[in-house]
Amino acid sequence: GAGVSQSPSNKVTEKGKDVELRCDPISGHTALYWYRQSLGQGLEFLIYFQGNSAPDKSGLPSDRFSAERTGGSVSTLTIQRTQQEDSAVYLCASSLRGQGLTQYFGPGTRLLVL
Amino acid sequence: ELKVEQNPLFLSMQEGKNYTIYCNYSTTSDRLYWYRQDPGKSLESLFVLLSNGAVKQEGRLMASLDTKARLSTLHITAAVHDLSATYFCAGGSGGSNYKLTFGKGTLLTVNP
Repeated sequence: GAGVSQSPSNKVTEKGKDVELRCDPISGHTALYWYRQSLGQGLEFLIYFQGNSAPDKSGLPSDRFSAERTGGSVSTLTIQRTQQEDSAVYLCASSLRGQGLTQYFGPGTRLLVL
Repeated sequence: ELKVEQNPLFLSMQEGKNYTIYCNYSTTSDRLYWYRQDPGKSLESLFVLLSNGAVKQEGRLMASLDTKARLSTLHITAAVHDLSATYFCAGGSGGSNYKLTFGKGTLLTVNP
C-alpha cells in the first residue's frame, strides 16, 4: 500500500520567504508527526497531531513555525520568514494511533534557505 | 526530559564479523525503537521493543531491551555489505509514548 508522501521533495528558497511543506499520511492513520533532521541537531520532534488537533507543539522552534491538519489527513507545515538555520530535512511520519505504535516516515522535504 | 545516547557513532566492520550498537536512555521509556536510514533516504522501522527483556530478531539483526538498565542493544551477526547504513534508536515519551527522542545515530560501514 501507499506510504507517507511528502512534497516538495526539495525546496530552495531565499531568506525571508515563506514556505509550505505538505504531508500525506498513510490512509487510516490518525496520528501524524513532524520531525526535523539537521547535521547539527540530529532528529528533532516538532509537532504531533491526533486527528486535526495538535496536543503537542512543544518542538516547534519559534513562532515562525506553524502546522495544521485538515480532514484528519493532509498536514501542512509552514515556515514564515525563513532563516538559514531553518535549512534541514523535514520528515513527516504517521501511525495508526498516537499510542507508542510504530511511526512510518515519509521521504522528507529537503529545505535549503539561501 | 528523555535523552538518548548511542555508541559508537561510527562503526567500520568487516564482512562476517559481529558487533553491537548500544543505546542508553535517561528516564523511563516504555517504548524503544530502532530505525535504519540509507544515505539520502528516509527512516525505515526495524524494531519496536515494548517491555523489559524484549528481544526481536530479523535476519542478521537482533534488538533487545533492558528497562532496568535503561539500555537497548542492536546486535549484528555476520555482517554483510547490505547492512551499511545509519542506525538510530529512539525512546518514546509523552503521555502515550508518541514523542520520539532519537539518538545521534550510528553510521555503520561494512567492508568486504
